[in-house]
Amino acid sequence: DTGVSQDPRHKITKRGQNVTFRCDPISEHNRLYWYRQTLGQGPEFLTYFQNEAQLEKSRLLSDRFSAERPKGSFSTLEIQRTEQGDSAMYLCASSLAPAGEVENIQYFGAGTRLSVL
Amino acid sequence: AQKITQTQPGMFVQEKEAVTLDCTYDTSDPSYGLFWYKQPSSGEMIFLIYQGSYDQQNATEGRYSLNFQKARKSANLVISASQLGDSAMYFCAISFGNEKLTFGTGTRLTIIP
Repeated sequence: DTGVSQDPRHKITKRGQNVTFRCDPISEHNRLYWYRQTLGQGPEFLTYFQNEAQLEKSRLLSDRFSAERPKGSFSTLEIQRTEQGDSAMYLCASSLAPAGEVENIQYFGAGTRLSVL
Repeated sequence: AQKITQTQPGMFVQEKEAVTLDCTYDTSDPSYGLFWYKQPSSGEMIFLIYQGSYDQQNATEGRYSLNFQKARKSANLVISASQLGDSAMYFCAISFGNEKLTFGTGTRLTIIP
């Protein structure tokens, strides 16, 4: 199995531009998560999908953020009208969540580091 | 709200010594999972070990073991025989059901040769 893949690894953009990140989960994993990590902090949850359905969104996910997982495989995270406060590492994780069980090991990609100038 | 606390921002340990990284949590939910992840400078979060709240035995994975004390709500990570490659950030996390992880602020571990 290949691991979780994220693209690009680094993105530098100017304030006000739109950016899109891609995440390819481990094949057969039905759950896909997005997290954001700022310097010196642990990752914070943004949103997650089970197959193609987006089941939860954090209040951190403002209207400028949108995530999709159209065919239940890869996912994209778009940020519109970027702000300097959006500068962070965006991490994607996937898991094969057994129904009704607490054990849900999430495997992470290497992340996309976004710098907004 | 559920909370995870890691009180050690940084630790320095001599190579080949054992090290304990502290993690406490706060929840009233009886069913939860506890996780430890390692984050090297490259940025990727690497899964290390998992403990379920109903598990009777402490989890072990190679040199990693989880000292789970449910009544004290602590889930400390123990790394035996530390190696230079263990230098990294370590995060404790908790989840409820098949849902999101809530992470602590992490501990930066530095192994000294």
